[in-house]
Amino acid sequence: EPEVTQTPSHQVTQMGQEVILRCVPISNHLYFYWYRQILGQKVEFLVSFYNNEISEKSEIFDDQFSVERPDGSNFTLKIRSTKLEDSAMYFCASSVDRWEGYTFGSGTRLTVV
Amino acid sequence: EDQVTQSPEALRLQEGESSSLNCSYTVSGLRGLFWYRQDPGKGPEFLFTLYSAGEEKEKERLKATLTKKESFLHITAPKPEDSATYLCAVRILSNLFFGTGTRLTVIP
Repeated sequence: EPEVTQTPSHQVTQMGQEVILRCVPISNHLYFYWYRQILGQKVEFLVSFYNNEISEKSEIFDDQFSVERPDGSNFTLKIRSTKLEDSAMYFCASSVDRWEGYTFGSGTRLTVV
Repeated sequence: EDQVTQSPEALRLQEGESSSLNCSYTVSGLRGLFWYRQDPGKGPEFLFTLYSAGEEKEKERLKATLTKKESFLHITAPKPEDSATYLCAVRILSNLFFGTGTRLTVIP
């Protein structure tokens, strides 16, 4: 069964450093998303991406965050200057269209120290 | 304000003991209600999408139903492998907004 692949599975970074989280969505999917889940809290929407541009973003997705689809397969989330409160599981998801359920990856656990 | 509330927060069942999980929502312009299963340290796994009141969907021991204000996930004769956190999400515009989940434990 097709799956969304995320790398790395765990990343530890120092506060103030830049991190890039990588995702390979399912090949025939056209809509891409990033969500995050702080330990013990709900899954929160960050950003959606379609046709090489951001469709929607939440209040969490401020100027420190950016997304990119550098080639035909990868979808990345960059955090420019990490803060302690950015520590969370970050999930990438993709969907064929905007109305169906998303397929989520297994996540990247980001720890900012 | 749009809200998604799930209850109970946690549920312990004996193997074979059927029960229901609840997801109530107050959103305008609902464009789908989704159920996901999440195992510890993993991403949410898609189960069902419901679009209109009265709609029902089934998959193995799970059955999801939808009314105008809430959705239920019925679990019939659960097994230990059904232990997980079950998440409800509503679509607002084109994105999903999740509840806090119900942590289900099924005891052999």
